[in-house]
Amino acid sequence: AQSVTQPDIHITVSEGASLELRCNYSYGATPYLFWYVQSPGQGLQLLLKYFSGDTLVQGIKGFEAEFKRSQSSFNLRKPSVHWSDAAEYFCAVGMTGTALIFGKGTTLSVSS
Amino acid sequence: DGGITQSPKYLFRKEGQNVTLSCEQNLNHDAMYWYRQDPGQGLRLIYYSQIVNDFQKGDIAEGYSVSREKKESFPLTVTSAQKNPTAFYLCASSPPGLAGETQYFGPGTRLLVL
Repeated sequence: AQSVTQPDIHITVSEGASLELRCNYSYGATPYLFWYVQSPGQGLQLLLKYFSGDTLVQGIKGFEAEFKRSQSSFNLRKPSVHWSDAAEYFCAVGMTGTALIFGKGTTLSVSS
Repeated sequence: DGGITQSPKYLFRKEGQNVTLSCEQNLNHDAMYWYRQDPGQGLRLIYYSQIVNDFQKGDIAEGYSVSREKKESFPLTVTSAQKNPTAFYLCASSPPGLAGETQYFGPGTRLLVL
């Protein structure tokens, strides 16, 4: 079955420290890959996406993600976290003509 | 400004009542989606529509209904058959072509049961 796993429900990172959020997927073929961010009570904002080509993709707000086919992973990274990055992060996968499948999310807290 | 609007922001439902959540987009997107979000559950697909006058059930369609009479509108009705409707509801849309897999989201509607 197609699925997305975000192993970490909640992560706390110190401000200025680096961040990595994990995402693994199970799919019949290599899907399109996405990371979204959600602030409390708000909709989802697209951070970045991978369709093909360079496996390291850059997104907004200083985020990047690396697609590793051999590991079926698409981990999100940021070199230096800011307090405003505290939010919930969702990984999602999809293919042409299908709706996206979302992970259950990782809540990021930033400590000072 | 182009975007997706959802109304109302908060909605209260009485027992046995049907309520309708509005979703409108002026992005000229073909596809539209409805998701339900519960704490710790991520987003679960209720219904989606790739074109006008056509829609498909998602993973949790029971107790919900939709219509797609216009390209820009995709209202969701939560019927009295939905026994646990309290949740945050998100509408999304996506453009045609290769970028059609990228979904853009509205601000959401929180439904509460009185």
